Amino acid sequence: SQWGEENLQALSIQEGEDVTMNCSYKTYTTVVHWYRQDSGRGPALIILIRSNEREKRSGRLRATLDTSSQSSSLSITAAQCEDTAVYFCATESSSNMGYKLTFGTGTSLLVDP
Amino acid sequence: EAAVTQSPRNKVTVTGGNVTLSCRQTNSHNYMYWYRQDTGHGLRLIHYSYGAGNLQIGDVPDGYKATRTTQEDFFLLLELASPSQTSLYFCASSSGDQDTQYFGPGTRLLVL
Repeated sequence: SQWGEENLQALSIQEGEDVTMNCSYKTYTTVVHWYRQDSGRGPALIILIRSNEREKRSGRLRATLDTSSQSSSLSITAAQCEDTAVYFCATESSSNMGYKLTFGTGTSLLVDP
Repeated sequence: EAAVTQSPRNKVTVTGGNVTLSCRQTNSHNYMYWYRQDTGHGLRLIHYSYGAGNLQIGDVPDGYKATRTTQEDFFLLLELASPSQTSLYFCASSSGDQDTQYFGPGTRLLVL
């Protein structure tokens, strides 16, 4: 899992396997973003889940959000080599100073052929 | 596709040097952000802004200044660079909450 002081977690799987990445967060949020970052590029949003959704799917991706336990997960079904990337969760917070994201430390996923 | 550009892409400076990193977005977004990325820390927010002339302090602001001159342009200033500021810097823009943040390609800064 990822958050705060935790070190970057690395996962290595074979193509075709399923994988789940977990994210625990410390501050209240109603929205969790999941970003992926390919080598040499900036992060890009892959799925956004709100507190009233609990589960959200996009292609082979599935995100869950449990606000009571302050945790979220991202699952990839039948992983492909092109899923190799670093995956970050990020929580939203809003105040009179605007809106910002707080990112986790990331999970590095390697999918071997 | 939303567009965020950063310049320079790579920068080398010496300790005590003066560095300005530039970011431009053509998405008509109100929000712009500066992050640094270091191994083991993920992305950490330095400064952000929700409009021209507005500036908000992020989570790791020490040693950095920022200025939002227009809706499109957001600058990060390191007036006395230190080796601890060696990092990969990303700029991002967004229309607001519950929306995507679009990231630039990053600027790699080395402070000798």
